[in-house]
Amino acid sequence: RKEVEQDPGPFNVPEGATVAFNCTYSNSASQSFFWYRQDCRKEPKLLMSVYSSGNEDGRFTAQLNRASQYISLLIRDSKLSDSATYLCVVPYGTGGFKTIFGAGTRLFVKA
Amino acid sequence: NAGVTQTPKFRVLKTGQSMTLLCAQDMNHEYMYWYRQDPGMGLRLIHYSVGEGTTAKGEVPDGYNVSRLKKQNFLLGLESAAPSQTSVYFCASRKGGTGGGYEQYFGPGTRLTVT
Repeated sequence: RKEVEQDPGPFNVPEGATVAFNCTYSNSASQSFFWYRQDCRKEPKLLMSVYSSGNEDGRFTAQLNRASQYISLLIRDSKLSDSATYLCVVPYGTGGFKTIFGAGTRLFVKA
Repeated sequence: NAGVTQTPKFRVLKTGQSMTLLCAQDMNHEYMYWYRQDPGMGLRLIHYSVGEGTTAKGEVPDGYNVSRLKKQNFLLGLESAAPSQTSVYFCASRKGGTGGGYEQYFGPGTRLTVT
């Protein structure tokens, strides 16, 4: 099993749709999790942090299920500008110095 | 406040040539990282540093060396480039320390092609 695994997609959704991505992780000791967004040929940028059961920021909701070792990202009322690759990120090791990035889930939002 | 900058942005090397990629951050961050990103594989950690003068190996360190002589700079060296090192290289930094967040801030990347 990969340490961090994501459905690569692509997810093709119309504007206004609700879409959800899942990410599974193997290290049960991980305490914090992140979703990054990466636009084509650009650097990743932090979208949301998840330190407890979940986090919500506008149209974006991240949830954590420790028992099943997965985190999810829900995007409501999708916009064209949401088209990007979404990376699941899990710190590990003493002090969380290192991080493992999932390969990403591609989202295309169409008019 | 420029954040994290990387030079060069693009480079083409011939097999066997050497080069150094420079990463600089002006946020006084303790931790710095070098990743490579290949299609379908996500970002993989090459080397990282938890402070000035320290470096450590990541997931894929072979063929690369690093140095962190100054807190704000993290250099990645390729001694003898190989076609397998064709990739996009990202540098990142993180605040670190007690109570420091885990969030990493990335540079714009360096696109390297080895022929």
